[in-house]
Amino acid sequence: QSALTQPASVSGSPGQSITIYCTGTSSDVGGYDYVSWYQQHPGSAPKLLIYDVTYRPSGVSHRFSGSKSGNTASLTISGLQAEDEADYYCNSFTSSRTYVFGTGTKVTAL
Amino acid sequence: QVQLVQSGAEVLTPGASVKISCKASGYTFTSHSIHWVRQAPGQRLEWMGWIIAGNGLTSYSQTLQGRVSITRDTSASTAYMELSSLDSEDMAVYYCARELNEGGNFDFWGQGTLVTVSS
Repeated sequence: QSALTQPASVSGSPGQSITIYCTGTSSDVGGYDYVSWYQQHPGSAPKLLIYDVTYRPSGVSHRFSGSKSGNTASLTISGLQAEDEADYYCNSFTSSRTYVFGTGTKVTAL
Repeated sequence: QVQLVQSGAEVLTPGASVKISCKASGYTFTSHSIHWVRQAPGQRLEWMGWIIAGNGLTSYSQTLQGRVSITRDTSASTAYMELSSLDSEDMAVYYCARELNEGGNFDFWGQGTLVTVSS
């Protein structure tokens, strides 16, 4: 199972909105509404931001939102803040009843 | 409060096996699946496999199939991940994570276990 494709880096000015894309295939992202997103700061475990494409766990800021179109999922961060600087990973269920993570995206607030 | 506490760091030689534990507390262990994820230094997250804690059914990454085994002890609320035939590419931090419900939503994570493979 190949990793889902994400851009290596995305940057934006504080207050701006940025979007991270996660591209898979019809056997994973496109085939199921089981896409989740994680934020990881250096030296820490990942944190769940979005699950089932669009749902936010309690306690996660409303500035994070998710969507999907075809084989591509996306995570939008609105009102970018310095604390949002981190690595972000998408994850999807697959037709093999396994899961696969994306290649990861480093977000920088300029 | 939900907690997943993993066993400590390991240093092993090439060809050896490692078994990491993940002790759960703060919830009904058999109500949620446990997944294992690893991260080599500076690299992406890699999903390894999962176990349905209620019935013990497992599924593994095709890349690791045959080398990885995930088990659980419900009486101890603990999941285990064993990886065999270690080489340098297995050097990584290994995490266990609880799945909230079906769909890969890993809402609680262990603190991570560093595995070093060195001769």
